[in-house]
Parts: sequence; structure tokens; C-alpha cells
Amino acid sequence: DGGITQSPKYLFRKEGQNVTLSCEQNLNHDAMYWYRQDPGQGLRLIYYSQIVNDFQKGDIAEGYSVSREKKESFPLTVTSAQKNPTAFYLCASSRAGDGTDTQYFGPGTRLTVL
Amino acid sequence: GQQVMQIPQYQHVQEGEDFTTYCNSSTTLSNIQWYKQRPGGHPVFLIQLVKSGEVKKQKRLTFQFGEAKKNSSLHITATQTTDVGTYFCALTGGGNKLTFGTGTQLKVEL
Repeated sequence: DGGITQSPKYLFRKEGQNVTLSCEQNLNHDAMYWYRQDPGQGLRLIYYSQIVNDFQKGDIAEGYSVSREKKESFPLTVTSAQKNPTAFYLCASSRAGDGTDTQYFGPGTRLTVL
Repeated sequence: GQQVMQIPQYQHVQEGEDFTTYCNSSTTLSNIQWYKQRPGGHPVFLIQLVKSGEVKKQKRLTFQFGEAKKNSSLHITATQTTDVGTYFCALTGGGNKLTFGTGTQLKVEL
């Protein structure tokens, strides 16, 4: 819960525009993640980062890009190449990136592309 | 990749009734986590199970890990309106990442 912020809560963009979603954590966690959630669906992993300056593609990375220049920040860019970008985007972090640690989620950003 | 089946997809109960959701994997698991997402909210960690046959309780919630470590269940006794939400299991998959189940959406009617 606390310690992870995402902004903005709601975001509207025109089709064809790139948009960057912010994710910041002050938990001193090494690993950070981006998920996409569609209505009534589960969470699908877009990208994850186990350490600063390193990240890996998740299951649905096409049309997205990330950077991890600082430990506390993991911004996600939704590019115009993403065919269906309207969704709820959730950022999470965990102490380590080995898949066994608890993940703490931010409040999410609801992106609507018009 | 790893497949995670979670059933049922939806469950409507009357307040006071019990509720159970099941999570099944095609492979043997090292551990499993459970999360709850309230409507309009974000997933919140509930518990992690590691040992074969493990059973853990949190008040009215009982979590169980199968003997073969391929399945898990979450049981809620005497549901309350505060239990409304979607319950996800999450498994450690390849590449050191969690794979989330599709979730079970619970609605509780008065």
C-alpha cells in the first residue's frame, strides 16, 4: 500500500500520442513491475526491473517502453504502437526480484485513449 | 509458459454464507501468494504459502497449499460485505516473476 505512488489517477489521451505513466516508490525496493488490467480480467505483466539500469520484457511488452535510471522510479511509456492502450495500469515493487517476495502495488492509473 | 487456472470466475453469495476459490497450476510450485483487490482499488497482499499441505488462517480466511504443491484454495467462512472484491492467486514463474491467476470476483448480498 503506502510507499508507492502513481500519477495521474486518470489520464486521457488522443489516439496516436505517446504517454508516460509515473511510478515512484520510497520503500528502498530493488524490483519494480508494471501490469495491465482490463475490465474483469487478471493482471498481465508488461515489464519488470530487478535492479537499477536493467529491465526485462514481460508477457505483453509490445507497444510499451520503460526505463530504470533510479532505484525509486520506473516510468512506463505507452507508445502509439500499442493497439489497444485503454486499460488500468498498476505499478508494483518488491524487496527482491526473485519472484518470492510480496509485491506492493500503487493505486493505479486509468488510461483512456480517445 | 506457466498456466494458472482460478475457479470460479464469479461468485455471488448471501452474507453469512461460505466462499471458496481454487487455484490450479500445470506445474509444481515453489510457493503461492494470495492477493485481494477491492472494487476500484489495487491488489493487496494477503498471504504466502510455501510448504506442501500448509494451512494458514487469518480470522475468517483459511488458505491451503496442496500436498503436491500444484493447487491452492482460499476459504472464507461466514462472508461479510467487507469481503467483496476479487481474489487472485500468484505463482512464481520463470524469470523470477509472479504469474497472476485470472481472479475470482466475489459479491456478497445482504
